[in-house]
Amino acid sequence: GQQVMQIPQYQHVQEGEDFTTYCNSSTTLSNIQWYKQRPGGHPVFLIQLVKSGEVKKQKRLTFQFGEAKKNSSLHITATQTTDVGTYFCAGLEYGNKLVFGAGTILRVKS
Amino acid sequence: DAGITQSPRHKVTETGTPVTLRCHQTENHRYMYWYRQDPGHGLRLIHYSYGVKDTDKGEVSDGYSVSRSKTEDFLLTLESATSSQTSVYFCAIRPGYYSETGNTIYFGEGSWLTVV
Repeated sequence: GQQVMQIPQYQHVQEGEDFTTYCNSSTTLSNIQWYKQRPGGHPVFLIQLVKSGEVKKQKRLTFQFGEAKKNSSLHITATQTTDVGTYFCAGLEYGNKLVFGAGTILRVKS
Repeated sequence: DAGITQSPRHKVTETGTPVTLRCHQTENHRYMYWYRQDPGHGLRLIHYSYGVKDTDKGEVSDGYSVSRSKTEDFLLTLESATSSQTSVYFCAIRPGYYSETGNTIYFGEGSWLTVV
């Protein structure tokens, strides 16, 4: 079945440094989504990418979808303490199943 | 937040007992999901539903069953709870229509289950 790999598993950065997490699927995806989960909370939708090569920005967050629609990345510029949490990518197969990566835990030192 | 209610929110149960977790939505969304979250494994799909009485297995369905007799309710049953099923369980819903938000998953607050 479909597998979604996400790296790194964990990253600890100094406030103001950049952060990137990468996501790779074993199959071609119809779209990819990104979620953020604060400690003790539930995952919250950030963005969806649909088109090959698509790039979207949300303030300091930049999301990319690969040309082959099998990989994606989330880049945060100049991290802040409010960015702390776990970031998940989730790939939607051409069907109904949304499969999540294992997530990247981000910790920010102030 | 999306209208999703999970119950119970916290439960401690004994090995071998059946447990049912309930997910209730007020959004009339077509798709409903049950995930479990464990450290190092992220969110793993247990079962999902694409309509009333229409369900399918996810990647970790062994030991779990589901039922959806109404659009708004999706029940997850642990037939005979084991310690390996100690986890946080998230219900999620998705509209399913083709739009910018049609594929967005909305999660409930989670149910913390401990099997002793």
